[in-house]
Amino acid sequence: GAGVSQSPRYKVAKRGQDVALRCDPISGHVSLFWYQQALGQGPEFLTYFQNEAQLDKSGLPSDRFFAERPEGSVSTLKIQRTQQEDSAVYLCASSLLAVDLYEQYFGPGTRLTVT
Amino acid sequence: AQTVTQSQPEMSVQEAETVTLSCTYDTSESDYYLFWYKQPPSRQMILVIRQEAYKQQNATENRFSVNFQKAAKSFSLKISDSQLGDAAMYFCASSNNYGQNFVFGPGTRLSVLP
Repeated sequence: GAGVSQSPRYKVAKRGQDVALRCDPISGHVSLFWYQQALGQGPEFLTYFQNEAQLDKSGLPSDRFFAERPEGSVSTLKIQRTQQEDSAVYLCASSLLAVDLYEQYFGPGTRLTVT
Repeated sequence: AQTVTQSQPEMSVQEAETVTLSCTYDTSESDYYLFWYKQPPSRQMILVIRQEAYKQQNATENRFSVNFQKAAKSFSLKISDSQLGDAAMYFCASSNNYGQNFVFGPGTRLSVLP
């Protein structure tokens, strides 16, 4: 079946612009995660959804970052007034919420470059 | 708070040889999961192997196995009969037993030499 998809794959934004990054999780997966991965680093947790409920947003670095998943499937990560330090790969992952099935399936990521 | 440490930024191994990647972690959770993920240059993260902390037996997946030392909070990955396709970044990660609070280590870049 289809895996996790993300769009766009690459995004260049001028400082101050707003961007929206989309994640299509695997069909039926309840949990959805967003991560930020700086160059040469491991992914860092941003936020977590269970269905449409955003259960944890403790990793969002500022109030310029906003995520939603209104119907419990597709999710959008929005960054307002982008800054150069927002340049990173943004990874989305989904998992099926069930015992013994906590592994996350990752999308290919969106590489955001803020100029 | 959970932390994951990988002390080897880079490793290399000869094709067909065995290599071990190190990982240590710290967690306040009483039960948790540990993972090794592989990230090839295409950047899509792939699960390599998973270990439930309550299980004493070390997980094994074909050429990949772990050495889980719970008291020492150590979770190393052994890759046997290394292949060129094993070259990638390897990330150690932990989560609570609900599959949340994922924390990743900084990664180890593995090169496989022909």
